[in-house]
Amino acid sequence: DSGVTQTPKHLITATGQRVTLRCSPRSGDLSVYWYQQSLDQGLQFLIHYYNGEERAKGNILERFSAQQFPDLHSELNLSSLELGDSALYFCASSVVSGVGYTFGSGTRLTVV
Amino acid sequence: AQSVSQHNHHVILSEAASLELGCNYSYGGTVNLFWYVQYPGQHLQLLLKYFSGDPLVKGIKGFEAEFIKSKFSFNLRKPSVQWSDTAEYFCAAGGTSYGKLTFGQGTILTVHP
Repeated sequence: DSGVTQTPKHLITATGQRVTLRCSPRSGDLSVYWYQQSLDQGLQFLIHYYNGEERAKGNILERFSAQQFPDLHSELNLSSLELGDSALYFCASSVVSGVGYTFGSGTRLTVV
Repeated sequence: AQSVSQHNHHVILSEAASLELGCNYSYGGTVNLFWYVQYPGQHLQLLLKYFSGDPLVKGIKGFEAEFIKSKFSFNLRKPSVQWSDTAEYFCAAGGTSYGKLTFGQGTILTVHP
């Protein structure tokens, strides 16, 4: 157990639907990062939050959004899902930006 | 633009063989470098990291990496691999500003007993 908790572990949903992925960072970590891992794109950075504020955005689609709550957990919302959104979504957390993260076990999203 | 390139997509070795996985990066400014390992069905785990100082970095499970600034490289090495090292290995680079890491494409290592 890495200390970063992601739920659910698996999610199967239909095209056009909306899902929410949840991440609880390690105790004491203020930064939360979201990554998408797919066979064709590899690991792609989506977004970074630090203590509730958005710090950096990567290759995140407009259909995707995220937030970090006062208790530091984060949610990644994916809407109008397409088949190509099927991937592993990882959350990671760190105490200080740039020093390397601890990853969660990921949520495997399958869009059918 | 930041980029990380891993030379090999799939490496197959026998137990006790030596390992070297190549990683080259392109990054403006001060760079931090990392190697992560992902065992089948598991999350990414940090093997080792380089921020500054001694360019030879030792990590967990007997892995080490050497930072060669002139070559923009950060190759991962292990003198003698084990079957349990079968996994996918990712090189990553990041700055100190916002913590975003850029990952390489990954190298799948298969070790035969």
